[in-house]
Amino acid sequence: QKEVEQDPGPLSVPEGAIVSLNCTYSNSAFQYFMWYRQYSRKGPELLMYTYSSGNKEDGRFTAQVDKSSKYISLFIRDSQPSDSATYLCAGDDKIIFGKGTRLHILP
Amino acid sequence: NAGVTQTPKFQVLKTGQSMTLQCAQDMNHNSMYWYRQDPGMGLRLIYYSASEGTTDKGEVPNGYNVSRLNKREFSLRLESAAPSQTSVYFCASSEYVNSPLHFGNGTRLTVT
Repeated sequence: QKEVEQDPGPLSVPEGAIVSLNCTYSNSAFQYFMWYRQYSRKGPELLMYTYSSGNKEDGRFTAQVDKSSKYISLFIRDSQPSDSATYLCAGDDKIIFGKGTRLHILP
Repeated sequence: NAGVTQTPKFQVLKTGQSMTLQCAQDMNHNSMYWYRQDPGMGLRLIYYSASEGTTDKGEVPNGYNVSRLNKREFSLRLESAAPSQTSVYFCASSEYVNSPLHFGNGTRLTVT
């Protein structure tokens, strides 16, 4: 089992909807988690990082960690077509990535 | 404001050929990394350098070598390319090991 698991999608939602992207992890040693966004033919870019408990909000994006269930979530409010990308979650400890979820926002 | 720069952007090799992928960062970061990204496999760590003068194996190091030339530069060498090494290679850097990564835009390598 990989240390960080993600559903690969694709996930298609209409413009303006709230998007929920999720990961599970198995490594209890992770101290914090990161979300990266990757557009086609580009490198991943850091979207948010959050320590191993609670929520963090940045504009339309909210990252949430539930340590008890080893569950990480990223919520996108008022989704836009420009949010269409692959989203990768990662834990620290040599930065272990999930396989990424492809998201399509339909205009 | 270049960040992480990778060269070349594209490369086609024949089986058995060698090549070096170059990476440079201008953020004064201590740690640098090489990943490969394949469909359905996600990003997998090949090698990393926690600080200048050190290198360590990641998840998939076989068939690769690395050199941390100085604080800015970290190269990845394929001594004898194989078709299984066809992939997109990403270099990344971070202030310290395990801090958030900054990625380059990748090198797309095809081995025939």
